[in-house]
Amino acid sequence: QVQLQESGPGLVKPSQTLSLTCTVSGGSISSGSYYWSWIRQPAGKGLEWIGRIYTSGSTNYNPSLKSRVTISVDTSKNQFSLKLSSVTAADTAVYYCARSGYYDSSGYYYYYFDYWGQGTLVTVSS
Amino acid sequence: DIQMTQSPSSLSASVGDRVTITCRASQSISSYLNWYQQKPGKAPNLLIYAASSLQSGVPSRFSGSGSGTDFTLTISSLQPEDFATYYCQQSYSTPRTFGQGTKLEIK
Repeated sequence: QVQLQESGPGLVKPSQTLSLTCTVSGGSISSGSYYWSWIRQPAGKGLEWIGRIYTSGSTNYNPSLKSRVTISVDTSKNQFSLKLSSVTAADTAVYYCARSGYYDSSGYYYYYFDYWGQGTLVTVSS
Repeated sequence: DIQMTQSPSSLSASVGDRVTITCRASQSISSYLNWYQQKPGKAPNLLIYAASSLQSGVPSRFSGSGSGTDFTLTISSLQPEDFATYYCQQSYSTPRTFGQGTKLEIK
């Protein structure tokens, strides 16, 4: 059973960089055709996809955050990480890491988020 | 970006009711549509993928349908544990986008 666990500071000062790590257990982050994503949710609001990384290291980011986001992977530690720079109070949210599983229908790949971390609250405040 | 719009935003229903939630995409997404359930303080849980495929372990009272731009999630007979917020999400293109959520409350 794959499990994901977020870790990192719960409080970040405005203008600084938010850094989180997701540790994957129960399977290798390098195996299979999986993407590994970061998703966030401000209190009482909906879900926002931040970006993803493939095990090859290729990334896709949400254009709304692209200038501030870096996602990286460390296969030796079975981890992937998020860095969000120049944070403001608007970046206060619960941050989730998630795996994109997929269903292969004759070469058409239907991706979905099948495993999630429990989420970690990051507050941006001085 | 593909915009996902759910209706209604909130819904009151009773145990045993049949409930339908609608999700509309701003452009055709074929069947690249997933549904999640989220309970307070918890991560979302995958219910339906590829518009109509039931995720392993999810009760059969949940079903999904639709293709193109219009999709529905149906719960055939509400159980107490089904009161939660439901989100649709498109996997047709990046950035991945979610609907705003439908909060299902007890009447």
